[in-house]
Amino acid sequence: AQSVAQPEDQVNVAEGNPLTVKCTYSVSGNPYLFWYVQYPNRGLQFLLKYITGDNLVKGSYGFEAEFNKSQTSFHLKKPSALVSDSALYFCAVRDPRYGGSQGNLIFGKGTKLSVKP
Amino acid sequence: EAGVAQSPRYKIIEKRQSVAFWCNPISGHATLYWYQQILGQGPKLLIQFQNNGVVDDSQLPKDRFSAERLKGVDSTLKIQPAKLEDSAVYLCASSLLIGGGPQETQYFGPGTRLLVL
Repeated sequence: AQSVAQPEDQVNVAEGNPLTVKCTYSVSGNPYLFWYVQYPNRGLQFLLKYITGDNLVKGSYGFEAEFNKSQTSFHLKKPSALVSDSALYFCAVRDPRYGGSQGNLIFGKGTKLSVKP
Repeated sequence: EAGVAQSPRYKIIEKRQSVAFWCNPISGHATLYWYQQILGQGPKLLIQFQNNGVVDDSQLPKDRFSAERLKGVDSTLKIQPAKLEDSAVYLCASSLLIGGGPQETQYFGPGTRLLVL
């Protein structure tokens, strides 16, 4: 069965330092991978996605993610963290049972990012 | 462009009572999703509509949960009777069905936080 793992419950980073939020997946076939961010009392906001092509995907707010098929990973990165990046980050994989544009998103449990001044 | 709208934002009920949540998707989005997000977990899909038809309701507890999208636009999710374990955030999302393309991104509303006492 397909699954997504976010091995860290929390990541602590100093402002200005690079940040990485880890995600690994287990799906059959070629995965479609997504990152979302959730601020307190808000819904999920889309950051970026990997569908095909270049393994390095750039998204909103300076975030990027690298798809690594051999390691089945899709880690989220940012070169210089901001205090305002503090939030809950979710990795998700699209269910490959459905072809085309339909599909269920399967989410990881989330990683809390804390950026200190 | 207006985002996904949900109401109410918060709801507190006693167990065995009933409750209903409303969602209005982004204009023109054919696909609508309801997710349940329990504290400390990622969102879990409950039901997916395409226009006014159900695509997937395999994870909807049908003995107590029901959902409809009668005119293919807004949707209502109902719980009757509620249990303590239904305490969660209920997220609605929508996506623009582009025929056959894998570019689907789901856009989420702010969610309804339900507390069952």
